[in-house]
Amino acid sequence: AQKVTQAQTEISVVEKEDVTLDCVYETRDTTYYLFWYKQPPSGELVFLIRRNSFDEQNEISGRYSWNFQKSTSSFNFTITASQVVDSAVYFCALKSQGGSEKLVFGKGMKLTVNP
Amino acid sequence: EAGVAQSPRYKIIEKRQSVAFWCNPISGHATLYWYQQILGQGPKLLIQFQNNGVVDDSQLPKDRFSAERLKGVDSTLKIQPAKLEDSAVYLCASSLATGRKETQYFGPGTRLLVL
Repeated sequence: AQKVTQAQTEISVVEKEDVTLDCVYETRDTTYYLFWYKQPPSGELVFLIRRNSFDEQNEISGRYSWNFQKSTSSFNFTITASQVVDSAVYFCALKSQGGSEKLVFGKGMKLTVNP
Repeated sequence: EAGVAQSPRYKIIEKRQSVAFWCNPISGHATLYWYQQILGQGPKLLIQFQNNGVVDDSQLPKDRFSAERLKGVDSTLKIQPAKLEDSAVYLCASSLATGRKETQYFGPGTRLLVL
């Protein structure tokens, strides 16, 4: 079965703090893709990043970085020097063949960045 | 490039009434998805279309929900009759094709409240 767990439900930080959002996934497939989406108060899900299971190279994009570790089935997301505009709900998602290639989402983690 | 368009943005109805939502995907995207997002949860796939054919509707409550994508572009999702538990955000997404590596891009959603 495919499953995504975001253990943190809500985090509140002060602007300029670094924050890491945890994501743990389960799949029996050897080929799969992991995604992070951001959902601001406006409601639209905004695509942030996609990683495939064969590429464990971590990535940095501006203030965002991702740490993918197959050994622990984790795909964590870090925001450096957080800003008020980063306040949103963040979703981790998994797509694998065993799940009929459905995008399976975690429950989301609400991040509030206070000025 | 225009994103996924949805209308209406908000809808309030009474239980047992009918409601319909409309989605226009990103131009050239063959695959279209409808998701239901209940408050505090991640989106759940209701139905997936490839052009005008249904790929996956295993989680669509077919006794009350229906969807169509007649010309392989726009799509409508209908609920008839609505129940209180249908109160949710209905998200439409599209991707270039099916497959694990395909990224789904989401619209702003329709927020439905059933009284």
